[in-house]
Amino acid sequence: DQQVKQNSPSLSVQEGRISILNCDYTNSMFDYFLWYKKYPAEGPTFLISISSIKDKNEDGRFTVFLNKSAKHLSLHIVPSQPGDSAVYFCAATSGSRLTFGEGTQLTVNP
Amino acid sequence: GAVVSQHPSWVICKSGTSVKIECRSLDFQATTMFWYRQFPKQSLMLMATSNEGSKATYEQGVEKDKFLINHASLTLSTLTVTSAHPEDSSFYICSASPSGIYEQYFGPGTRLTVT
Repeated sequence: DQQVKQNSPSLSVQEGRISILNCDYTNSMFDYFLWYKKYPAEGPTFLISISSIKDKNEDGRFTVFLNKSAKHLSLHIVPSQPGDSAVYFCAATSGSRLTFGEGTQLTVNP
Repeated sequence: GAVVSQHPSWVICKSGTSVKIECRSLDFQATTMFWYRQFPKQSLMLMATSNEGSKATYEQGVEKDKFLINHASLTLSTLTVTSAHPEDSSFYICSASPSGIYEQYFGPGTRLTVT
């Protein structure tokens, strides 16, 4: 079963606006969540993470929100830039392995 | 820093042959390396975790005799797909970590096509 799901395979936004990428999970044992960014022909690179004891973590233009009761996390990018165009993966762990979502292709239009 | 390379980036082989994929951490020592497989439009699925000098730990459903993993040094791990079949065609990505699962640096991946 897919324990981490990214229901939107793609998202398109205008430069300067906010991008919101969503991720849902089913395993209540997950206690750490990560977002990765992947460009074509490259491996995923770490972007930002959040522990289950927090509900928000911010790093520059990137903010991750965690709603444990809804088992939902989101990544906000503001303002969005064309260079942000990539596939974004969310991942979750309870300590033994990373479980990834399917990814969302973000396209930021100039 | 924290660069991980994979070789080859793509390979085509005939059914029944074996293929070796290398994963190297270029600027750090990786105590743990991970091998993932990704099908089109799907998530990265962990195949196995390997620690330098010890046997790999395989995920449920992954055939250890088919996907041989060797982590002989702190900078190199190899994945050998033995007796490859067309259903083994996939995108294989490794990651390396100096400290554990929370800090993984990914390679660019290897596209394997078995004809």
